[in-house]
Amino acid sequence: DVKVTQSSRYLVKRTGEKVFLECVQDMDHENMFWYRQDPGLGLRLIYFSYDVKMKEKGDIPEGYSVSREKKERFSLILESASTNQTSMYLCASSSPGRRDEQYFGPGTRLTVT
Amino acid sequence: GDSVTQMEGPVTLSEEAFLTINCTYTATGYPSLFWYVQYPGEGLQLLLKATKADDKGSNKGFEATYRKETTSFHLEKGSVQVSDSAVYFCALSDIMRGGAQKLVFGQGTRLTINP
Repeated sequence: DVKVTQSSRYLVKRTGEKVFLECVQDMDHENMFWYRQDPGLGLRLIYFSYDVKMKEKGDIPEGYSVSREKKERFSLILESASTNQTSMYLCASSSPGRRDEQYFGPGTRLTVT
Repeated sequence: GDSVTQMEGPVTLSEEAFLTINCTYTATGYPSLFWYVQYPGEGLQLLLKATKADDKGSNKGFEATYRKETTSFHLEKGSVQVSDSAVYFCALSDIMRGGAQKLVFGQGTRLTINP
């Protein structure tokens, strides 16, 4: 079974802090994604990566950056956390061979106070 | 841009009731369509998919048919169970740089089944 893990289930940070969210997948998938999930808005794509060191902006990249130094790991970085970044963050991965199926991690609920 | 609109929730039903969750989409081209499910405290899981017009996706008693003429992909189940309580997301795919597929999600519908 594909496994996507995220470093924390719950995180509380202060405004202005730098925040790192880590995601690891164990299926050698090329593609990895970061979404945020908000009530009434569904999931929105922040960034994705289709290869090591490659990254592309999604629909809402402002205030975020990402890092992919190894194939299995994709990090989301909030350079200076703000209260409007309080949300559920979901990581996903997929392979080119089955591009249409994304596997999701359990999510990190981030609260910025 | 592409978009997905889902039936607003929350939806509350009794066990063994018939379920329909409506989903319509707007897209250029011919995307694949998906239903994902999120059980409490978990990430999303693919429930079913359809890749072309008139295809029917099915899994765990759920079904949805890709209707190009009405741009719809409604989710149905004949007899729901308490264990079906979850949030359901309709989504479509869009090809991005490098061949990765972006998923465009609807807002989600929370389903609660009472015994």
